[in-house]
Formats: sequence, structure tokens, C-alpha cells
Amino acid sequence: QSALTQPASVSGSPGQSITISCTGTSSDVGGYNYVSWYQQYPGKAPKLMIYEVSNRPSGVSNRFSGSKSGNMASLTISGLQAEDEADYYCSSYTSSSTWVFGGGTKLTVL
Amino acid sequence: EVQLVESGGGLVKPGGSLRLSCAASGFSFSSYNMNWVRQAPGKGLEWVSSITSSSSYIYYADSVKGRFTISRDNAKNSLYLQMNSLRAEDTAIYYCAMWFQLLSYWGQGTLVTVSS
Repeated sequence: QSALTQPASVSGSPGQSITISCTGTSSDVGGYNYVSWYQQYPGKAPKLMIYEVSNRPSGVSNRFSGSKSGNMASLTISGLQAEDEADYYCSSYTSSSTWVFGGGTKLTVL
Repeated sequence: EVQLVESGGGLVKPGGSLRLSCAASGFSFSSYNMNWVRQAPGKGLEWVSSITSSSSYIYYADSVKGRFTISRDNAKNSLYLQMNSLRAEDTAIYYCAMWFQLLSYWGQGTLVTVSS
């Protein structure tokens, strides 16, 4: 049950696009289309941004998009805004019928 | 309005026990699998345990297997986590959470501190 691998931090200027990667194995990310992305502000509960690799819940900006290739999933945020500065976590279902999260990525909007 | 309200956290000595509760409202609790997720201070999210809607299947992270027990009472719309043999590394905010496709509900969390 190793955590999925995410970069510790990414940064971008307002209006730019950034991508956060999430690397797992064929037993989790690569084996299932049950990859989700969460946004978390300090002291708050996580908020679902993307589910099942590339689907956005209602109310989530279309500036957020998700994709997957092999054992790696990605979250892309386009048109970066100051309010996007937060921590982002990926998660995946696993072959053991458990769930695993990534280590988290701190997004800084310069 | 959907609400998940955790309770039962607090300060406990290493080796001690604590029982967390999560009261659910605003959705069909008995229809969904439920989860506990924790977050150590300044650290990332860690999935702890899941229980299916009818309690038929239960899963644990290796880090808590044999020490923690998840359960639910659908009649009371409640989820529980019995935590035994607590260790310093179990110190974290514990979230009660439900996720299913586009649905995702999280409580505000309850802080568990394991310290002598």
C-alpha cells in the first residue's frame, strides 16, 4: 500500500496552465479508471475536483481537467487563478479493494 | 443538506483506545460504502478503512490492520472507528468520508492526539 507519487510542489503565474502528475502501478492507477483528484485548503476538508480520471462534478470549473496514460494520471489547471493555490491529492482504487492517495502537491500561484 | 459530523477525538496515551463516531444526514447513508481517511499534522491524506453499505466487506490499511475496527449502524446513520493500541504515529485528523462517482462528502474531521 505505497502512496501514489506526486511532485511535492508546482507553481505557475496567473493565466498559465500547470499539470500535476500522479504515478502509481498497474495495480492501482493503471488498472482502474477510478482515479480522483481533490483540492484542499489549509484547515479544510478535501473537495472533489475530478472523478473517474476525467469527469468533473457539477460546480467545478472547466479549467480543471484530468487524464490518464498507463500508470500515470494527470490534473491540468488552465487559466491559473489565485484561488487555485491549494494542496492537491490524487487517489485511486486498488486491486486489493482498498484506496490509496498520493502524497500531495502544493500549488503556488506566483 | 448533506452532513457528516465526526466526534470522539481527543488526547490519549500510547497503547490506549478511542472510538470515533460519524453521524450522517442528508443522504441515503445505508446505500453507500463509507470510509475513514486521516491526515497527520502537516502531512498528506491517508486512507484508513472502508466498509460496504451492508457491512459485508471491510478493508483496512496495513498501518492499522489488527488495531482498528470499522463498523456502521444503518438504523442510526452512523459510522464508527474503534482504535486500539494507539501509537504516536496515529496522531492525525480523522475524516469520515463517502465517495461514489460524482458524489463526495467529507466531515470536518476530529483530531486524535496520541502522546504521553
